Amino acid sequence: GAVVSQHPSWVICKSGTSVKIECRSLDFQATTMFWYRQFPKQSLMLMATSNEGSKATYEQGVEKDKFLINHASLTLSTLTVTSAHPEDSSFYICSAILPGGSPLHFGNGTRLTVT
Amino acid sequence: KQEVTQIPAALSVPEGENLVLNCSFTDSAIYNLQWFRQDPGKGLTSLLLIQSSQREQTSGRLNASLDKSSGRSTLYIAASQPGDSATYLCAVNEGGADGLTFGKGTHLIIQP
Repeated sequence: GAVVSQHPSWVICKSGTSVKIECRSLDFQATTMFWYRQFPKQSLMLMATSNEGSKATYEQGVEKDKFLINHASLTLSTLTVTSAHPEDSSFYICSAILPGGSPLHFGNGTRLTVT
Repeated sequence: KQEVTQIPAALSVPEGENLVLNCSFTDSAIYNLQWFRQDPGKGLTSLLLIQSSQREQTSGRLNASLDKSSGRSTLYIAASQPGDSATYLCAVNEGGADGLTFGKGTHLIIQP
């Protein structure tokens, strides 16, 4: 079945540094990928929609200059958390949509801890 | 704006019981609804996907129903096992190429 690989699975960084998270579709081409984050005991919340070859679409309240998304190829989208702060500590998870529509396939997520 | 609510938030039952998890959504104009399982610190595993035109889907001991007009879905787990312990998430898709709106999940514990 379709597989989405996300890397790293966890990362600890110091406040003020930047962190890059990769999301790859391993056996299909994903023109659209989604980035979510989940705070403890909260729902997964959609952050942005990443479209190959164009700018990402951000949900209301998500700072596009802080969460940089690059979808340079049909199999890779990256999320860079710039100048990370402790409040950015969260579980970030990506998903990719198969050509032709749903269902969505999810990566295993990245646990980010900013100290 | 679509809102998804899951009840109960947590559930603990003895092994072997049949159980029902509930999901409701505020806007019935959905494309599909999906049930996921999330293990602690892990990603999501898709369990069942119900298209808006469907009433239910079954996979093994799992059965999910959808009543789009009333904005409800249920996930039925038969003969529960300790390995079923996880958080179960309900999510709706309002457009084929849109992201999902998730509920907060039901944290399920099956006691051996």
